Amino acid sequence: RKEVEQDPGPFNVPEGATVAFNCTYSNSASQSFFWYRQDCRKEPKLLMSVYSSGNEDGRFTAQLNRASQYISLLIRDSKLSDSATYLCVVNPRSGGYQKVTFGIGTKLQVIP
Amino acid sequence: DAMVIQNPRYQVTQFGKPVTLSCSQTLNHNVMYWYQQKSSQAPKLLFHYYDKDFNNEADTPDNFQSRRPNTSFCFLDIRSPGLGDAAMYLCATSTWGGAAPWVSTDTQYFGPGTRLTVL
Repeated sequence: RKEVEQDPGPFNVPEGATVAFNCTYSNSASQSFFWYRQDCRKEPKLLMSVYSSGNEDGRFTAQLNRASQYISLLIRDSKLSDSATYLCVVNPRSGGYQKVTFGIGTKLQVIP
Repeated sequence: DAMVIQNPRYQVTQFGKPVTLSCSQTLNHNVMYWYQQKSSQAPKLLFHYYDKDFNNEADTPDNFQSRRPNTSFCFLDIRSPGLGDAAMYLCATSTWGGAAPWVSTDTQYFGPGTRLTVL
């Protein structure tokens, strides 16, 4: 089993739709979780950190379910500019550094 | 603005010809990472530095070396690039507080990447 698993997609959704992605992780001791956004041929950029029971930022909501070892990202009222790859990132906190593990990413395409 | 800078943004080299990629940061972070990312794949950690302490990933080929002469700069040397080394190379930074974990940055800050083409 991979350390961090994501459905690579693509998810094709119409503008204005609500879309959700899940990400599962295998290390139950993992401490920190993040969603990064990566545009085509660009570097990953932090979208949201996910702590304890989750958090919300505008149209974006991230949830953490420790019992089932997954995190989710919900995007409401999708915009064309939301089209990107969303990377799930998990920090196991082993070794003392932020040696994180990336998922393969879920590709989102918002269609006019 | 404080940032992570990578040079060059695009690098073309010939098969077997050594190449050096550079990364600099103005964030004063004590941890620097090099990742390799191929198309439609997750970034793969090659190695990282905690201050001057070098940490190599077990599956990083010997062909890849790194130097960190000071806090601000880190270099990735590819001694004999092969066609399979064509990828985006990402530098990232963070801060680890050690005995003072409250100063740690939990996230990583990425540079724009260097896209390497091997002919």
